[in-house]
Amino acid sequence: DQQVKQNSPSLSVQEGRISILNCDYTNSMFDYFLWYKKYPAEGPTFLISISSIKDKNEDGRFTVFLNKSAKHLSLHIVPSQPGDSAVYFCAASGFSGGYNKLIFGAGTRLAVHP
Amino acid sequence: DVKVTQSSRYLVKRTGEKVFLECVQDMDHENMFWYRQDPGLGLRLIYFSYDVKMKEKGDIPEGYSVSREKKERFSLILESASTNQTSMYLCASSSNAGITNEKLFFGSGTQLSVL
Repeated sequence: DQQVKQNSPSLSVQEGRISILNCDYTNSMFDYFLWYKKYPAEGPTFLISISSIKDKNEDGRFTVFLNKSAKHLSLHIVPSQPGDSAVYFCAASGFSGGYNKLIFGAGTRLAVHP
Repeated sequence: DVKVTQSSRYLVKRTGEKVFLECVQDMDHENMFWYRQDPGLGLRLIYFSYDVKMKEKGDIPEGYSVSREKKERFSLILESASTNQTSMYLCASSSNAGITNEKLFFGSGTQLSVL
């Protein structure tokens, strides 16, 4: 049972346009959300995060939106660049199974083409 | 610069072999983690450790064990490798003891193939 779902395995966007990556979660106890980016042959790297007390966090070209009532968050990249082509993982943090932990989604592969 | 180093980039083993995956971090982090990444399943937590000689099971610990004898080193052990353990293994660390909603620093991963 996946508690964090990224329903789009892949996304293709033209350079300069907006990329929107979506993530849904089922556990209302999650209180912190993160996005990681992964290039081939490298480990994931932290990109941006948001606390459940906020509905938006912005860092340069990257903005994460959180809709708690819908249990949905999204990552917006504007403008998209070819170097943004990577796999993006959504992760949620919360207390589960006796300890606090991160639960990751399956990832969305973003391709930004010229 | 923060660094998590995994000893092997690619590893090929036979069914039944004992396999050791090594991970070293140079950031003096308390927390260390082992994940596996499979297509369509994302990253799943195998084991983690909040301190030296301390270990906790994650979501999929069956068939694995870990060792943390020194703060900077966290080893994943496959006692008897099986084909369903073919996967990308990722080691990670984070700084705040007992808290995992911090950003993790990942190694480059070890692609393990069990034949």
